Order: sequence, then C-alpha cells, then structure tokens
Amino acid sequence: DQQVKQNSPSLSVQEGRISILNCDYTNSMFDYFLWYKKYPAEGPTFLISISSIKDKNEDGRFTVFLNKSAKHLSLHIVPSQPGDSAVYFCAARQGGSEKLVFGKGTKLTVNP
Amino acid sequence: GAGVSQSPSNKVTEKGKDVELRCDPISGHTALYWYRQSLGQGLEFLIYFQGNSAPDKSGLPSDRFSAERTGGSVSTLTIQRTQQEDSAVYLCASSSLPGLAGVETQYFGPGTRLLVL
Repeated sequence: DQQVKQNSPSLSVQEGRISILNCDYTNSMFDYFLWYKKYPAEGPTFLISISSIKDKNEDGRFTVFLNKSAKHLSLHIVPSQPGDSAVYFCAARQGGSEKLVFGKGTKLTVNP
Repeated sequence: GAGVSQSPSNKVTEKGKDVELRCDPISGHTALYWYRQSLGQGLEFLIYFQGNSAPDKSGLPSDRFSAERTGGSVSTLTIQRTQQEDSAVYLCASSSLPGLAGVETQYFGPGTRLLVL
C-alpha cells in the first residue's frame, strides 16, 4: 500500500522552462510534506517543505503547492537549469511520527 | 564540518552471511535514521534513534535486521543471514532536532550499496 505516489517516473524539460513535479498521497493524517533531490551516488538533499496548514511555500526558484482536498502536492522549478537534473522524491510525515514516507521519485532531465 | 558518513560504500556478500553497516552522523546530532532504497523504489524507513534509544523500529522488515547506537553517535545496522531481497542501498540520516522543527533538516549520507548474491 503506497501512501505517497509519484506517478511520473521521468520528466524532460528545456532549460529556462518550468518543471512541474507531482505527488499524490492517500493518508489524510500526513501533516508535513517535503521534497528531496538526489544525484547519482549521493544521498538525498533537502529541497523545500510545506506544512499542511499552508497551501504554498516558495524558496527562490522552487515553489511547492499543496492541495489538501485533492491530497496532491506539486513542486515547481522556474526557470529550470541543467544542474536541476536529478531524481526528486516527495516525502510526507504523519504528526507524532518521526519517519518520512517517500514516493518512488521522478527523474528530471533539464536539456540545455 | 563533515557530513554524514557511511561505510562501507559498497558491500557484496553471499546469501546467508551476516553484514554490518556503519553510520557516523553529523557531530552533535541527536536523531539518527536508517532507510533503504530497493531498485526502482522510494526510500523505505527502517528505524529511528533518539540518542541511544530507538523509539520507532516499525520499519525493520524482519527479525534478521537489528540496529544499535552507542554513545549517541555511531550506529550499526546488522543484517543476519542475508537474503537476495536484502539487496538495496541503505541510507543513514541524522538530525539535530527531531520533531516538526527538525524534519526538514535530515541530512543523508551517501549510502551503502549492498548486493547479496
């Protein structure tokens, strides 16, 4: 039973355009959501997060949107850069628990 | 300062053998987490330490898996009688502040790639 789903295994965009990565979840008890970025042979690095009491959080080129009624969140990267090419993981946390539940990841390729 | 380090970086073992994976967290970090990533899957939570105690072991897949942490620092994940399905990347993370304020500050190591033949 996969509680966090990233239905697109890969995404390819042109440099300078917007990248939109999507994530759906099933557990309504999740109260905190995160995006991690992972390069090959490295551990994931934290990118941006959002609390369930908000619907948007922005940090530079990265914006995360949360639609609680749809149990959906998305990560927008604009403008996309070749260095953004990596695997992006969506993760969620249930209140009172320390563990993160991860999606399977979306591989983003930004073409020059 | 140094980040989270893990050793070995790669481990090939034969089915039935025991393996030990080591994690050195960032100095001063009180929380330590183990995850694993099987091929084509997301990261799967295994266990969480606060200090030397493990309040959440819910992700350990079987009693062949165990972990300990000593001195509030180094942690060892042990897999006994390894099986082929144990092949995965085992990732360790540490955090200075568990709870909401610290969720976003889980710093991951590079992982140990385990292959069980």
